[in-house]
Amino acid sequence: DQQVKQNSPSLSVQEGRISILNCDYTNSMFDYFLWYKKYPAEGPTFLISISSIKDKNEDGRFTVFLNKSAKHLSLHIVPSQPGDSAVYFCAALKEYGNKLVFGAGTILRVKS
Amino acid sequence: DVKVTQSSRYLVKRTGEKVFLECVQDMDHENMFWYRQDPGLGLRLIYFSYDVKMKEKGDIPEGYSVSREKKERFSLILESASTNQTSMYLCASRIRSGAGYTFGSGTRLTVV
Repeated sequence: DQQVKQNSPSLSVQEGRISILNCDYTNSMFDYFLWYKKYPAEGPTFLISISSIKDKNEDGRFTVFLNKSAKHLSLHIVPSQPGDSAVYFCAALKEYGNKLVFGAGTILRVKS
Repeated sequence: DVKVTQSSRYLVKRTGEKVFLECVQDMDHENMFWYRQDPGLGLRLIYFSYDVKMKEKGDIPEGYSVSREKKERFSLILESASTNQTSMYLCASRIRSGAGYTFGSGTRLTVV
């Protein structure tokens, strides 16, 4: 039972354009949603998060949007850079139970 | 900067061997986690621990056990390694409250 779904296994974007990574979830009880970035042979690194009571959070080139009615969140990267090429994981956290649930990941390739 | 250190980057073990994966964090975090990452499946939680001596099963605990004798160290044990346990293993820690997990660099385990 996948509670967090990333339906696009990969995405290819031109340098300087916008990258939009999508994520759907099934459980309304999550308290936070997070995005992690992972390079090969490294652990995931935290990118940005959003509380379930907000609908937008911005940090530099990264913005996360949360649509609670659709149980959908997205990560926007503007402008995309070649160094952004990595696997991006969407994750959701319920504070009670203290478990982070991950999606399957989306491989982003930014072409120069 | 919180550091989560996994003792081995790469391991090759034989089927039936007992395997220990070690994880150490240096920030006095109560919570520690073991995940495995497989292509198309994202990160799946194996076990986690709220504090010393405490442990709870995650989503895929079968074939694994854990040990948390000291706060800074969380060990994952494969009692009798099998080929389907070939994977990337990721350890993480976090403070009791707040949304951020810090991950180690991972251990790529191959069981032959």
